[in-house]
Amino acid sequence: DGGITQSPKYLFRKEGQNVTLSCEQNLNHDAMYWYRQDPGQGLRLIYYSQIVNDFQKGDIAEGYSVSREKKESFPLTVTSAQKNPTAFYLCASSISGVLETQYFGPGTRLLVL
Amino acid sequence: DQQVKQNSPSLSVQEGRISILNCDYTNSMFDYFLWYKKYPAEGPTFLISISSIKDKNEDGRFTVFLNKSAKHLSLHIVPSQPGDSAVYFCAARFSGSARQLTFGSGTQLTVLP
Repeated sequence: DGGITQSPKYLFRKEGQNVTLSCEQNLNHDAMYWYRQDPGQGLRLIYYSQIVNDFQKGDIAEGYSVSREKKESFPLTVTSAQKNPTAFYLCASSISGVLETQYFGPGTRLLVL
Repeated sequence: DQQVKQNSPSLSVQEGRISILNCDYTNSMFDYFLWYKKYPAEGPTFLISISSIKDKNEDGRFTVFLNKSAKHLSLHIVPSQPGDSAVYFCAARFSGSARQLTFGSGTQLTVLP
């Protein structure tokens, strides 16, 4: 049963704390992405990775970090430098191709205590 | 600067009638367009896509039309069903963008029984 899993579903962060959001896919996709969604807005790209051990900043990378040590996994760390972390975080993956489509996980809601 | 715009934040349609969701873009380099459907607290689900070499793509009740000269695309849902009630996002990318997608802000579709 292939798909993208994100955990946890809800995450609470205290001030000054780093937290890590998990994203795993078993679709054998090369590329993986992290997006952020705020109320009433579209999805904004945080980071993306086209292959293992390589990743690029998206439009709003400040205050976030990622790693891509395995093809299946692309964890996102929200650091204390991210001043407004409350949002819905979405992970996606895609297979290489000219007209490829990104497929999304169920998302993680991050709230600041 | 919003490169992909969905100017209608919401749309209500009677069950069985046609739903038409609109999307405008400003970047003439975009060559691939996608529509996603999203329920609250879930990840977006891919619906349908269209390449810039086509002007229409159909999949069951869903049809996407692309007017390149007007930089406009639309999603038609016929007939509309209550289960179609969700937020619909259009997204666009161009070949040189390392597969990044640019999303619109979404349109909330409500199908009334």
